[in-house]
Amino acid sequence: GDSVTQMEGPVTLSEEAFLTINCTYTATGYPSLFWYVQYPGEGLQLLLKATKADDKGSNKGFEATYRKETTSFHLEKGSVQVSDSAVYFCALSARAAGNKLTFGGGTRVLVKP
Amino acid sequence: KAGVTQTPRYLIKTRGQQVTLSCSPISGHRSVSWYQQTPGQGLQFLFEYFSETQRNKGNFPGRFSGRQFSNSRSEMNVSTLELGDSALYLCASSLATGGNTEAFFGQGTRLTVV
Repeated sequence: GDSVTQMEGPVTLSEEAFLTINCTYTATGYPSLFWYVQYPGEGLQLLLKATKADDKGSNKGFEATYRKETTSFHLEKGSVQVSDSAVYFCALSARAAGNKLTFGGGTRVLVKP
Repeated sequence: KAGVTQTPRYLIKTRGQQVTLSCSPISGHRSVSWYQQTPGQGLQFLFEYFSETQRNKGNFPGRFSGRQFSNSRSEMNVSTLELGDSALYLCASSLATGGNTEAFFGQGTRLTVV
């Protein structure tokens, strides 16, 4: 079945450091790929998405590129802020599965001033 | 525009009891999905409803059920609660169904089974 694997955390960084969170997936066909973020005590918020190979999703300084050849969707940000401290989830949605999202295990990111 | 509303926010139940959780989607959204979030298993899909019909179901026992009303509000029910059902239950609403529409999540209902 479909699955998503992302690097385990926690990832601890200093402010203005470069962030990368690796995400790889297994799916039949061509899924849509997403990054969601969860702040403490809150639900998930969509950070960015890509729906086909070579698409780049971007939002709030975060970027991820849909790489079909390596089945990857790594998240990057060039200069993190303390407010980026959260848990980040990579997810996929297979086209035949409606709105079902398959999530990775989540990566906790802590940015220190 | 109001977001996704889940009630109640917190619940404590005893093993063997049943529980009903409620989700009001964003106005105009017809798809509601439910997820269970636990430290051990992460985020797992329970089911999706679209226009009052269950469209997809995850790998959970039959004790977990749901429904959707004509106003798109959804409820999920868990019968004969077990300790392992303790989790954060998240509801997500989407405008349509089809896989690449944005899902908007509520804050969740934290269920504790004692």
